[in-house]
Amino acid sequence: QSVLTQPPSVSGAPGQRVTISCTGSSSNIGSDFDVHWYQQLPGAAPTLLIYDNNTRPSGVPDRFSGSKSGTSASLAITGLQATDEADYYCQSYDSSLGGSVFGGGTQLTVL
Amino acid sequence: QVQLQESGPGLVKPSETLSLTCTVSGGSISSDYWGWIRQPAGKGLEWIGRIYISGSTRYNPSLDSRVTMSMDTSRNQFSLKMTSVTAADTALYYCVRYSGSYYDYWGRGTLVTVSS
Repeated sequence: QSVLTQPPSVSGAPGQRVTISCTGSSSNIGSDFDVHWYQQLPGAAPTLLIYDNNTRPSGVPDRFSGSKSGTSASLAITGLQATDEADYYCQSYDSSLGGSVFGGGTQLTVL
Repeated sequence: QVQLQESGPGLVKPSETLSLTCTVSGGSISSDYWGWIRQPAGKGLEWIGRIYISGSTRYNPSLDSRVTMSMDTSRNQFSLKMTSVTAADTALYYCVRYSGSYYDYWGRGTLVTVSS
């Protein structure tokens, strides 16, 4: 049972827009701790996709965007491409745990 | 470009100690935080803990009694030791650089299997 809740899977057709939600609580996202997103391509290590809620590292296309409100955050992917098929994880800090917490991950399928 | 590489035994017997080392290149471990994250096969990511050059550590409370992290600045390496392992500790172990908020560099991961 992950501290942050994500849908197990989402899907969309090429060119479409999908969103992945990440729901936390008052001890993590709701306490104004930042949310970060990682992309894990099949067979590879996770890579940082969005940090500090809505900032893209150098090299990440602007098709990827993040937002946060209250105790939840979202990752949006526009102009879906086959290469976007991956698992996506959200991460934040939890004051009760005293460390990092992750969502359970969302598998994105491009139809 | 910072690169991290995990190393250590791929097979550990139940009740024994798991020991992994992460070698950092392209940057010095004398700055920033460093840590470990694991991922059981087909499952999500679990934070294990982090260490700073000052020696300050923070571990996941669920693993705290079994985990120790250390640093060797002369070799630009940091290490993880986990005692009394069980099959539940079988996972892909990643070493990471921690910015203080997010994880911006990851190793490729090393698979550790706990089995007799």
